[in-house]
Amino acid sequence: EVQLVESGGGLAQPGGSLRLSCAASGFTFSHYSMNWVRQAPGKGLEWVSYITSSSTTIFYADSVKGRFTVSRDNAKNSLFLQMNSLRDEDTAVYYCARDMEKFDLWGRGTLVTVSS
Amino acid sequence: EIVLTQSPATLSVSPGERAALSCRASQSIGSNLAWYQQKPGQGPRLLIYRASTRATGIPARFSGSRSGTEFTLTISSLQSEDFAVYYCQQYNDWPPFTFGPGTKVDIK
Repeated sequence: EVQLVESGGGLAQPGGSLRLSCAASGFTFSHYSMNWVRQAPGKGLEWVSYITSSSTTIFYADSVKGRFTVSRDNAKNSLFLQMNSLRDEDTAVYYCARDMEKFDLWGRGTLVTVSS
Repeated sequence: EIVLTQSPATLSVSPGERAALSCRASQSIGSNLAWYQQKPGQGPRLLIYRASTRATGIPARFSGSRSGTEFTLTISSLQSEDFAVYYCQQYNDWPPFTFGPGTKVDIK
C-alpha cells in the first residue's frame, strides 16, 4: 500500500526540541521530493519545508527558518524534521506530503503540542 | 508571497445539489493551482492539479476551472462523503507554497 506515516509528535516545552519522522512505503521514496506541512488546531494548512530527492535543495518557511531542519534517509525510506527552539505557535498537526508543487500523497499527521 | 482567498468560508448544500467553491489569487499564477479535500482526523487528499486536471482516482463529479486569477472547484452532485473542508494551493511562485484559508462544505 502506498502510504506515509508520521511519528514523533508529543508535548514539548517552549524552547525545547522534537524530532519528527515520516516513513514511506509502497513507492520509490528516493525518486520524490518531499514536504512538511502543518495545521494548527482548527486552522488551515501552512507549508513548512521542502527537500529534493537527493537533499541537494532545501527550503523553509520564514516562520521556522533557523529553528527547524529537514533531512531524509533514502536507504530507510524516511523523512525527518528536527524542531528546535519550539514556540507556542508551533503547536500543530504536522503532515509529510509527497512531491514537488502539487502534493499528491499525505500522511495522517502527528500532533505537536508546545506548552509549559 | 502569493495570497489565496477562498469564498465562501462555509457552503451549506443538500445532497445531490451542485456546489461551486471559489479561490482567487493575489497575482497571476497561470494554471499552477491545486485543490485538496480534508475530512476530520485525516490528511488532505489531492483532488485537482494544474487548475483542471483530476488526480488519480478522483470521481468525475469533481471539476476545476480557471478564469484569469479566479479558480473554481465544482462538485456536480454532492454525495455524503463530499462534506469536508476544501483548500486551494498555488505552486507557481515558491517558496513558499501557499494555501487558501479553506471552504467548509456542510449539509444543509
